[in-house]
Amino acid sequence: GQQLNQSPQSMFIQEGEDVSMNCTSSSIFNTWLWYKQDPGEGPVLLIALYKAGELTSNGRLTAQFGITRKDSFLNISASIPSDVGIYFCAGQQMSGGSNYKLTFGKGTLLTVNP
Amino acid sequence: GAVVSQHPSWVICKSGTSVKIECRSLDFQATTMFWYRQFPKQSLMLMATSNEGSKATYEQGVEKDKFLINHASLTLSTLTVTSAHPEDSSFYICSARGGYTFGSGTRLTVV
Repeated sequence: GQQLNQSPQSMFIQEGEDVSMNCTSSSIFNTWLWYKQDPGEGPVLLIALYKAGELTSNGRLTAQFGITRKDSFLNISASIPSDVGIYFCAGQQMSGGSNYKLTFGKGTLLTVNP
Repeated sequence: GAVVSQHPSWVICKSGTSVKIECRSLDFQATTMFWYRQFPKQSLMLMATSNEGSKATYEQGVEKDKFLINHASLTLSTLTVTSAHPEDSSFYICSARGGYTFGSGTRLTVV
């Protein structure tokens, strides 16, 4: 099946630092999504990307949809303690009976030291 | 904004019993909902796609007789784990709106 390679697996940073994480795939996706999951909660959508080359921001978060449609990155600037959590990328394909099916990366665990 | 309410948040059951998890769309209609399972420190794995008024579509390797899905209305989908065993212990999460909105998850522990 499809796989997404998400890296890094974990990051330990100091408050105020910038963070970058990325996902690559062997398959082309129509949409890339980035989520944050807190312990014991469901994922919350941070940014959705719909077009190859698209660069989108949401506050301190910036994400880009790769030109090849097989990769995406997420940057967090000036990290704060509440940024702690697990970040997942997900790719979405729209084809036939698989409308809206998401394939998730393995996640990046972010720890921010105050 | 769109909210998906999932209940219960956590449940402990005895091996061999069945557990029902509910997922409701509170302010929108959901013709399709998705059910995921997440083991500790792992990613979300799609189990099945729930379709209002028709049979659910299960992913390869997911036993449809064990994980019963019912989507009888446009705002409610349920997942019933039948004859639960300890290996079914996991975090179950539903989503709607094409994956844009997730429920808060259900922690199932089978003892």
